[in-house]
Amino acid sequence: QKEVEQNSGPLSVPEGAIASLNCTYSDRGSQSFFWYRQYSGKSPELIMFIYSNGDKEDGRFTAQLNKASQYVSLLIRDSQPSDSATYLCAVNYGGSQGNLIFGKGTKLSVKP
Amino acid sequence: GAVVSQHPSRVICKSGTSVKIECRSLDFQATTMFWYRQFPKKSLMLMATSNEGSKATYEQGVEKDKFLINHASLTLSTLTVTSAHPEDSSFYICSALGGADTQYFGPGTRLTVL
Repeated sequence: QKEVEQNSGPLSVPEGAIASLNCTYSDRGSQSFFWYRQYSGKSPELIMFIYSNGDKEDGRFTAQLNKASQYVSLLIRDSQPSDSATYLCAVNYGGSQGNLIFGKGTKLSVKP
Repeated sequence: GAVVSQHPSRVICKSGTSVKIECRSLDFQATTMFWYRQFPKKSLMLMATSNEGSKATYEQGVEKDKFLINHASLTLSTLTVTSAHPEDSSFYICSALGGADTQYFGPGTRLTVL
């Protein structure tokens, strides 16, 4: 059973702080990893993806991947109230093309 | 780039009727599209994988005769909920597979069955 685990939260951080969201996955053969943001009542929107071990930065967002430990994280620097949403970690384990396994999401709340 | 649209965004129907939801990739071609369902405060649930020109692949527990999927072109997939019942009320979201095996989501369709 391939699984993606996330802490459901809520994770509460003050405005301007760094928010750290973590995700672990069960299948070592997993190939690509995605972070989506979902506002309440809306569909997910892609934040970024990562394939290789290490860090990948895009603006205020940094994805970190450690395949040996089977975890992927998302750091949000200078958190803003508009970042308050549920963050979904998704893993492509290399099965059917593009098929993702989603975590249940971590709810982030950024307090002004 | 990588914009996906869905229509309608919201639909209310009577029990027993059928509802068709369209999913379009606007600025790219998508051989593969996915259909998800999400109940309030629950996680995304994959219903089926739709491949252009072939039959959809349904996840376990999803009735293929109730949720009809057609992927007639590289930019359009449709989901028809047949004989809808109140328990089918949910948020239906499609995604299209773009470059780098990345799924881009449509805005979703909120279905309410009375």
